[in-house]
Amino acid sequence: AQSVTQLDSQVPVFEEAPVELRCNYSSSVSVYLFWYVQYPNQGLQLLLKYLSGSTLVKGINGFEAEFNKSQTSFHLRKPSVHISDTAEYFCAVSDDGATNKLIFGTGTLLAVQP
Amino acid sequence: KAGVTQTPRYLIKTRGQQVTLSCSPISGHRSVSWYQQTPGQGLQFLFEYFSETQRNKGNFPGRFSGRQFSNSRSEMNVSTLELGDSALYLCASSFGSNQPQHFGDGTRLSIL
Repeated sequence: AQSVTQLDSQVPVFEEAPVELRCNYSSSVSVYLFWYVQYPNQGLQLLLKYLSGSTLVKGINGFEAEFNKSQTSFHLRKPSVHISDTAEYFCAVSDDGATNKLIFGTGTLLAVQP
Repeated sequence: KAGVTQTPRYLIKTRGQQVTLSCSPISGHRSVSWYQQTPGQGLQFLFEYFSETQRNKGNFPGRFSGRQFSNSRSEMNVSTLELGDSALYLCASSFGSNQPQHFGDGTRLSIL
């Protein structure tokens, strides 16, 4: 069965510093990959997605991610974070082309400090 | 364009009761998926409906059920509530398969 691993449960970082949130998935078959952000007391907001094509995907709020098939990874990066980026970030994968079932990682809390 | 609307936002029930949660998708979206979010188990897929048909189901007991209406609105029902059903229930809608899913703000269900 497909699974997603987010090794870091919490990532503290200072404002304006770069950050990388790690995500690895288990399946070697064709997959669709997503990063979502969740602010307190809210639902999930899509940051970016990889369906096919270029392995470097750009998303909203200055985030980007790189799909690496050989390492089965889809790490999220931002060159300079802001206080407002403090939130929970979830990596998700779908390997079922016929439905919208997503398998989520356990999440990474990005804590931006001034 | 209105987003995904979930009602109610908060709900308190007691063990043994049943509950119905509602989700109105973005206009034009035909797929509605439901997820349960808890601190211990994280985000888990419950089921997905597309054009009034359930086309995928997660690993949850039969107490969890859902349906979708002709206007794509969806409801999920949980019967014989247990303490472990306390969670944030999220609904997501999309236009089709493997299209971006848009989430509502969820219904927080607390079981006493």
